Amino acid sequence: NAGVTQTPKFRILKIGQSMTLQCTQDMNHNYMYWYRQDPGMGLKLIYYSVGAGITDKGEVPNGYNVSRSTTEDFPLRLELAAPSQTSVYFCASSYGQGSLGTEAFFGQGTRLTVV
Amino acid sequence: TQLLEQSPQFLSIQEGENLTVYCNSSSVFSSLQWYRQEPGEGPVLLVTVVTGGEVKKLKRLTFQFGDARKDSSLHITAAQPGDTGLYLCAGGNNAGNMLTFGGGTRLMVKP
Repeated sequence: NAGVTQTPKFRILKIGQSMTLQCTQDMNHNYMYWYRQDPGMGLKLIYYSVGAGITDKGEVPNGYNVSRSTTEDFPLRLELAAPSQTSVYFCASSYGQGSLGTEAFFGQGTRLTVV
Repeated sequence: TQLLEQSPQFLSIQEGENLTVYCNSSSVFSSLQWYRQEPGEGPVLLVTVVTGGEVKKLKRLTFQFGDARKDSSLHITAAQPGDTGLYLCAGGNNAGNMLTFGGGTRLMVKP
């Protein structure tokens, strides 16, 4: 059972370039999330989705876009990369119902450096 | 905006010592989760507490949810080098669609 799979694991971008971080889950979870984690810090929510076709902004959405065309996939798009977007990005999913609905399963992360 | 503050931020102890990590907020959460993260990996869920005053034990780890569901603690007894990692608390909102993470406690247990 793969769980949450993120690709790529590492990427170096030049300022102004664009890229898409891929995320797929095989647990049939309704909810999916994108977080960023800066060195030595906790996680900040970028965007989340409660189901296919539905997305919403989190705490730090500027400079990012998402789409959710299927239950399994939740790609994160960076347009015009900036050094401030250097971070480790984590995708997560959860069942999304009930008091245990926010229990999140995380991918291994994508380490992005913008130079 | 719901905020969670963890303390201490860093903790370096010797193997065999006990420690407690705190997670505090002025907001009420429907659930409180603890995750552990190792270098180069994503966070892994340790436990979820949902009832005020609830205590859960996971081997040498004891988790407690405050009576008012605003705070939580993680106590580790007889810490081992394998406990080294970043411990994150996260609060679930009432809608069940969002987690708010604390800043994390980085624990190092020296042999």
